[in-house]
Amino acid sequence: AQSVTQLGSHVSVSEGALVLLRCNYSSSVPPYLFWYVQYPNQGLQLLLKYTTGATLVKGINGFEAEFKKSETSFHLTKPSAHMSDAAEYFCAVSQETSGSRLTFGEGTQLTVNP
Amino acid sequence: NAGVMQNPRHLVRRRGQEARLRCSPMKGHSHVYWYRQLPEEGLKFMVYLQKENIIDESGMPKERFSAEFPKEGPSILRIQQVVRGDSAAYFCASSSGQGRYEQYFGPGTRLTVT
Repeated sequence: AQSVTQLGSHVSVSEGALVLLRCNYSSSVPPYLFWYVQYPNQGLQLLLKYTTGATLVKGINGFEAEFKKSETSFHLTKPSAHMSDAAEYFCAVSQETSGSRLTFGEGTQLTVNP
Repeated sequence: NAGVMQNPRHLVRRRGQEARLRCSPMKGHSHVYWYRQLPEEGLKFMVYLQKENIIDESGMPKERFSAEFPKEGPSILRIQQVVRGDSAAYFCASSSGQGRYEQYFGPGTRLTVT
């Protein structure tokens, strides 16, 4: 069984400030971890993924995330927020098998204030 | 290279009618997943299909819902005798399944039951 917890359903930052979105997972097998972004009335766009190898992964739009096995975490960060980053962000986990379903967190709505 | 296509984008049905949602995966992808997003909630897995086979339908409601992915043509999610609680956004995702684990999402179909 696997699950994802995203701490904070709403996060608000100022433009230019650090973005930190928290994600903790539970998985009985080595996890594969993903962050997706969803803009209003659109589908999900893959930001980044962790499968194996380097634990710090870089994604699109300046986002990165670090896999910390000891903390069962995969927090998403961006050094400087931009207005266009305002969206909903979903953390997801799947199992180490091709064709495995994604289990999503409840999402974090990011607001960027001018 | 076209992404995942879903149609219709918006669908309105009266209670008791049937809803058919279509999904064409990305070119070269043979794995299709359906997810449902209820208002103010995250995405929940429904079903995973490969061509002509249902691999995992553990997230599908037991009644009224069915899915197929024929040898030719798009994947279809069918909801019979819709009820108001079926109102949601339904997302399709695809993956290549060739040792690659990320799923690419379509824009979704927003079903409204009146």
